[in-house]
Amino acid sequence: QSVLTQPPSVSGAPGQRVTISCTGSSSNIGTGYDVHWYQQLPGTAPKLLIYGNTNRPSGVPDRFSGSKSGTSASLAITGLQAEDEADYYCQSYDSSLSGSYVFGTGTKVTVL
Amino acid sequence: EVHLLESGGGLVQPGGSLRLSCAASGFTFSCCAVSWVRQGPGKGLEWVSTVSNGGGSTYYADSVKGRFTISRDNSKNTLYLQMNSLRAEDTAVYYCARNSGINRGEWFFDYWGQGTLATVSS
Repeated sequence: QSVLTQPPSVSGAPGQRVTISCTGSSSNIGTGYDVHWYQQLPGTAPKLLIYGNTNRPSGVPDRFSGSKSGTSASLAITGLQAEDEADYYCQSYDSSLSGSYVFGTGTKVTVL
Repeated sequence: EVHLLESGGGLVQPGGSLRLSCAASGFTFSCCAVSWVRQGPGKGLEWVSTVSNGGGSTYYADSVKGRFTISRDNSKNTLYLQMNSLRAEDTAVYYCARNSGINRGEWFFDYWGQGTLATVSS
């Protein structure tokens, strides 16, 4: 029932750049609501990675960057490292019906 | 350091009830809205419910509206989720998370607990 669509998986070799898309609609990202990103390492709780479309919390490496345009957003990881292998989720607010917080379908990043 | 610790998960039969708790520390609990987010086995994240900093406003996902009740006790730095009329599809790890952001449309989740597993099965 996710309203934000992400590719199921992306992969890359160490050192490469990968991007993850997050496609929404006119009731969420397209309205102008911010997009946030979370990283979930295997067997652990999600961790905030990017907030407000482009901002990194303290401690998050600058290899991670976010962008937003129209009804979509993207997360880029440059200089891919083995420790980046995880699931990544986008999140926004949806104003349809009574309003709710919506997550993306999730993307598994594999480091080859 | 912000710390959120969930408890109260377990095995319950369909139609039964469960009450989850989340003990917060390391910040002024009354500052912030807090939420429950769940993750079914092998599935993605699903927002469940949010309560405002003072407890006066509550928000629910359609999937749990009328069955779950979120509440907080700021004097005990604790968040609760009362889950009634449980269904098999409610089986999930339930995370509590602190909200951040200026207004409701900007909220995101900046700190998460480790989660507690609720299993609904006969």
